[in-house]
Amino acid sequence: KAGVTQTPRYLIKTRGQQVTLSCSPISGHRSVSWYQQTPGQGLQFLFEYFSETQRNKGNFPGRFSGRQFSNSRSEMNVSTLELGDSALYLCASALQLGTDTQYFGPGTRLTVL
Amino acid sequence: AQTVTQSQPEMSVQEAETVTLSCTYDTSESDYYLFWYKQPPSRQMILVIRQEAYKQQNATENRFSVNFQKAAKSFSLKISDSQLGDAAMYFCAYRSNFGNEKLTFGTGTRLTIIP
Repeated sequence: KAGVTQTPRYLIKTRGQQVTLSCSPISGHRSVSWYQQTPGQGLQFLFEYFSETQRNKGNFPGRFSGRQFSNSRSEMNVSTLELGDSALYLCASALQLGTDTQYFGPGTRLTVL
Repeated sequence: AQTVTQSQPEMSVQEAETVTLSCTYDTSESDYYLFWYKQPPSRQMILVIRQEAYKQQNATENRFSVNFQKAAKSFSLKISDSQLGDAAMYFCAYRSNFGNEKLTFGTGTRLTIIP
């Protein structure tokens, strides 16, 4: 069974632009969560989706948004990019809400210049 | 809010030896999961082992085992017979068992394997 896939793997943007990252969960998984990883802040939870509904959101500004489609694929969007948004963005999928294990994708490395 | 603390930023171990990585956490909940994830230079986060808080028996996966002390809120990872491929950042993580998928991570321990 294929793992979690994320596209693109690398992205370079400039300040003020917006970006969309994509995540395809493991087949059959319906829960998708997003995390931001930076050297300074470590791994921080962004949001989680299940059945196309956002179930939980981390402490990030409204410039960060996401959605989930009926096939469980998820996208996250960051508008008006800032230098501090440079990070590795990790997506994780789980079978259902309340199941115990999340499986991570390889991440998207976003660089904001 | 739950917090996870990894007090060892870096550790090193000789190949074939045993090493223990420490993790403590703070929570007021009684039902939760604890995880160790490994992140090699490729940056792919890989699940190493998980522990359910209501199970007293310590989890074991091949060369990896945990020492779960619920009262002390401690969750250490022991790696036996260390191999070069074990070199990575290791993250301890907490997840509530109340329908919330959010993982709370520690700051990580960088493990170096000395040949």
